[in-house]
Amino acid sequence: DTGVSQDPRHKITKRGQNVTFRCDPISEHNRLYWYRQTLGQGPEFLTYFQNEAQLEKSRLLSDRFSAERPKGSFSTLEIQRTEQGDSAMYLCASSFEVDKAGELFFGEGSRLTVL
Amino acid sequence: AQSVTQLGSHVSVSEGALVLLRCNYSSSVPPYLFWYVQYPNQGLQLLLKYTSAATLVKGINGFEAEFKKSETSFHLTKPSAHMSDAAEYFCAVSRSGGYNKLIFGAGTRLAVHP
Repeated sequence: DTGVSQDPRHKITKRGQNVTFRCDPISEHNRLYWYRQTLGQGPEFLTYFQNEAQLEKSRLLSDRFSAERPKGSFSTLEIQRTEQGDSAMYLCASSFEVDKAGELFFGEGSRLTVL
Repeated sequence: AQSVTQLGSHVSVSEGALVLLRCNYSSSVPPYLFWYVQYPNQGLQLLLKYTSAATLVKGINGFEAEFKKSETSFHLTKPSAHMSDAAEYFCAVSRSGGYNKLIFGAGTRLAVHP
């Protein structure tokens, strides 16, 4: 297993366009998280899945954002009608439920630039 | 609610000098505490974690951190800095007994000079 993978690594789009990011977690991990990181800040929690169920959503996740994990494996994060303020690094992480104090394993992120 | 404060957004040390990165947390329940490192254009990598066992935690690359409940602190140290330690460091907290949602501090960028 090569760890958490994210695609694309970089995305440049024009304001108003829709974008979608994909995350493939470590295969045996049933928990998956999305975070957003802006320049000079720490990662901010967006949402969390246990298997296919989305169990928590941050208030940062406006109506333009939607995340899915249809089969409890990979996840997608879609941003509709992008705004310049959406420019950030979107990080995906996964963990194993049994490991209560476990670390989150992060992917290398998808950097979004909205022009 | 939980939160993390990292004192000093930028720290600069000479190669071979002591590294001290400060982290204070706020939590209404016993916390789990983590330090992650991020190199440019990469994801976050775990350095070490505190999970209510030993209060002095040793991690990778010679780093260690001490949990001090009375001071609500979890400072990261390394006796001798190496050029390869230059990176951004994040302290994070999660709830013990809950799922592993992490709340991160704003980060400290460490520069190491020859």
